[in-house]
Amino acid sequence: DSGVTQTPKHLITATGQRVTLRCSPRSGDLSVYWYQQSLDQGLQFLIQYYNGEERAKGNILERFSAQQFPDLHSELNLSSLELGDSALYFCASSPKGGYGYTFGSGTRLTVV
Amino acid sequence: GNSVTQMEGPVTLSEEAFLTINCTYTATGYPSLFWYVQYPGEGLQLLLKATKADDKGSNKGFEATYRKETTSFHLEKGSVQVSDSAVYFCALFPFSGGSNYKLTFGKGTLLTVNP
Repeated sequence: DSGVTQTPKHLITATGQRVTLRCSPRSGDLSVYWYQQSLDQGLQFLIQYYNGEERAKGNILERFSAQQFPDLHSELNLSSLELGDSALYFCASSPKGGYGYTFGSGTRLTVV
Repeated sequence: GNSVTQMEGPVTLSEEAFLTINCTYTATGYPSLFWYVQYPGEGLQLLLKATKADDKGSNKGFEATYRKETTSFHLEKGSVQVSDSAVYFCALFPFSGGSNYKLTFGKGTLLTVNP
């Protein structure tokens, strides 16, 4: 157990639907990062939150949004889902200062 | 911007063979460098790291040396095992940090070790 918890582990949904992925960071870590892993694009950075505030944005689609709550857990919301959104979504956390990532085991999203 | 280029896979080896996976990077300043490993069905785990030039990271028989002159961080293992079959990612963490704390990853190299 890495200390970063992601739920659910697997998710199957239809095109056009909306889903929410959840991440609980390792105890004491203030930063949360979301990554998308697909076969053709590799590991793509989506977004980072630090202590509740958005800190950096990567290749995140407008249909996707995220937030970090006061208890530091984070949610990634994916809407108007398309077949191409099928991927593994990873959350990682790190302490203040950003060094020392710990990854969760991921959520596998399948859009049918 | 920062980028990481690692050798294309897949790489298939026999048990006890020597492994090299090449990784080069582009970055300003003095980034920290990492190798992560992803076993089938699992998340990414940190394998080893190096934070400054000429540092050698090592773990589980794997080694990589931070070469600033060639901007490289090649992963090596003298004798691979079947259990080393996984996807290996080279990654870079910017020196400056600031508001941009994200790791930049290479595309990953799939290693398969046959008995």
